[in-house]
Amino acid sequence: GAVVSQHPSWVICKSGTSVKIECRSLDFQATTMFWYRQFPKQSLMLMATSNEGSKATYEQGVEKDKFLINHASLTLSTLTVTSAHPEDSSFYICSATGPTDNGYTFGSGTRLTVV
Amino acid sequence: GESVGLHLPTLSVQEGDNSIINCAYSNSASDYFIWYKQESGKGPQFIIDIRSNMDKRQGQRVTVLLNKTVKHLSLQIAATQPGDSAVYFCAENIWRAGKSTFGDGTTLTVKP
Repeated sequence: GAVVSQHPSWVICKSGTSVKIECRSLDFQATTMFWYRQFPKQSLMLMATSNEGSKATYEQGVEKDKFLINHASLTLSTLTVTSAHPEDSSFYICSATGPTDNGYTFGSGTRLTVV
Repeated sequence: GESVGLHLPTLSVQEGDNSIINCAYSNSASDYFIWYKQESGKGPQFIIDIRSNMDKRQGQRVTVLLNKTVKHLSLQIAATQPGDSAVYFCAENIWRAGKSTFGDGTTLTVKP
């Protein structure tokens, strides 16, 4: 079946630094990937839609200059949290539409802790 | 704005019993619904989906019911097992749009 891989699974960084999270579709091509954020004991909130070869589409309230998205190939999208602050600490999850009609496949998530 | 909500935040059942998790949605344009299971520290796992042209769909030990009249769907888990303990989310979608709007989540705890 469709597999989406995220890396790293967890990261701790200092306040003010930038962190890059990778999302890869391992066995299918994904022209569109989605990035979600999930705070503890809360639901997933869509941050942005990542489109291969074009600019990402951000949801209302999400700072595009802070959360940089690059979708340079059909199998890789990256999310860079720039100048991270403790309030950016969260669980970041990507998903991709797989090759089947019901293929909303999620990655395993990245736990970001900013100290 | 659109929202998808769950009626109960927690559900505790005895092993072997059936579980029913409910969900309400508000966007009448949504035509595709998915139930996800999320275990601690992991991404959501697809359980079962249903298109709006259906009222019921069955999988292995799970059944999803959709009532478009009242914008309600439910997930039924038969013979609930300890491994079913997790947070369950319903999500509404526009078919093939790719992105999901998630509900708040119900924590299911299965007691042995």
